[in-house]
Amino acid sequence: DGGITQSPKYLFRKEGQNVTLSCEQNLNHDAMYWYRQDPGQGLRLIYYSQIVNDFQKGDIAEGYSVSREKKESFPLTVTSAQKNPTAFYLCATGPWGADTQYFGPGTRLTVL
Amino acid sequence: SQQGEEDPQALSIQEGENATMNCSYKTSINNLQWYRQNSGRGLVHLILIRSNEREKHSGRLRVTLDTSKKSSSLLITASRAADTASYFCATTNDYKLSFGAGTTVTVRA
Repeated sequence: DGGITQSPKYLFRKEGQNVTLSCEQNLNHDAMYWYRQDPGQGLRLIYYSQIVNDFQKGDIAEGYSVSREKKESFPLTVTSAQKNPTAFYLCATGPWGADTQYFGPGTRLTVL
Repeated sequence: SQQGEEDPQALSIQEGENATMNCSYKTSINNLQWYRQNSGRGLVHLILIRSNEREKHSGRLRVTLDTSKKSSSLLITASRAADTASYFCATTNDYKLSFGAGTTVTVRA
């Protein structure tokens, strides 16, 4: 997990609230990714960014938003439009042009 | 979209035994990777095998790739309690990874 921090580790949200998950890296990687993991399932790609000020939707972007204003940071906002947001969220980074990704420790979001 | 599917879903072995898990995928790939996830933690990259490679080793790990069958296997030899984790295969396309649902391995002391 070294070099990638995600905060908070646990997050509780009331229905109808937006929440922002933080992802910061000091690996100097160009690419950053957000994944969602549900129990017993693999990871699904929400958004990714290969360069500052640019990002693309992944497979399940609805109800989520991101920004990439700095190379080191790629925050994810879970909006009230996301109908089932309770999940484990993982941020990952990777060097430009490389296939291997490096993962943060994750944030577990629970909607009350 | 999930491209890879691991088999079995769960595996329980005695310490010292070998663990084998398989991954099948649907479309052509540039490479295939295996990751490990300890409970409640992030994923850790284990090994990457390219589409023109058939077998690769890293320590106690052995990965094979059969592109004609669209399948890969991960073998962990002489398992230890610390190998208890979930293992995921991931295929790469345009720098994006597609993960399977994983195999949960439990190593009993």
